[in-house]
Amino acid sequence: QVHLVESGGGVVQPATSLRLSCAASGFTFSNYPMYWVRQTPVKGLEWLAVVSYDGSNKNYADSVKGRFTISRDNVQNTLHLQMSTLRAEDTAVYYCVVRDEGYCTGGSCYSFDYWGQGAHVTVSS
Amino acid sequence: EIVMTQSPLFLPVTPGEPASISCRSSQSLQKSNGYNYLDWYVQKPGQSPQLLIYLGSHRASGVPDRFSGSGSGTEFTLKISRVEAEDVGVYYCMEGLQILFTFGPGTRVEIK
Repeated sequence: QVHLVESGGGVVQPATSLRLSCAASGFTFSNYPMYWVRQTPVKGLEWLAVVSYDGSNKNYADSVKGRFTISRDNVQNTLHLQMSTLRAEDTAVYYCVVRDEGYCTGGSCYSFDYWGQGAHVTVSS
Repeated sequence: EIVMTQSPLFLPVTPGEPASISCRSSQSLQKSNGYNYLDWYVQKPGQSPQLLIYLGSHRASGVPDRFSGSGSGTEFTLKISRVEAEDVGVYYCMEGLQILFTFGPGTRVEIK
């Protein structure tokens, strides 16, 4: 059974940093790309960053590029999001997501898509 | 950038009755392999989003067969054949074409 458990959320002041972690279990972590997604009442659900299965490729949304860094530890089965220069608009619930592109083969179709429970981050002075 | 829109944004439903949500993308979500990279998610109260439909029309594991997805290119539909009380929540369409995907604004489904 796939489990994704985020930690590290909290209340921080603007312009400071915070590191989120996500402990993964129940699947072969090193085989899948991993994502961070956030949700706010204003912007809804936003995919923030993705790291390839081996950590060699990373992509970021424009809203966090240069401020957030995604990383993974395939020995500890852990995903991280280092957030710096935080702004009030970064206040959100942050989700860790494992997802592989759906595909069909041999007459059957498959999906792999699981979300953590979310970590609350509040940026406020 | 792909823009996703949904209608309606609010959908009051009667248990036992059908319901339908439309989703439109600003560009075609169909790849050369013929598949449409459009997913549907539902976020039930207090929960994380969960995958309902992938590749436009395929139900994810464990999803009841009262849910169905259809459409191609830029126009898609999620249908619930007979709404149950447990179906309340916010339904999102999402394009799966880009490296980082884009959700629609969501459709809130509530029981009348």
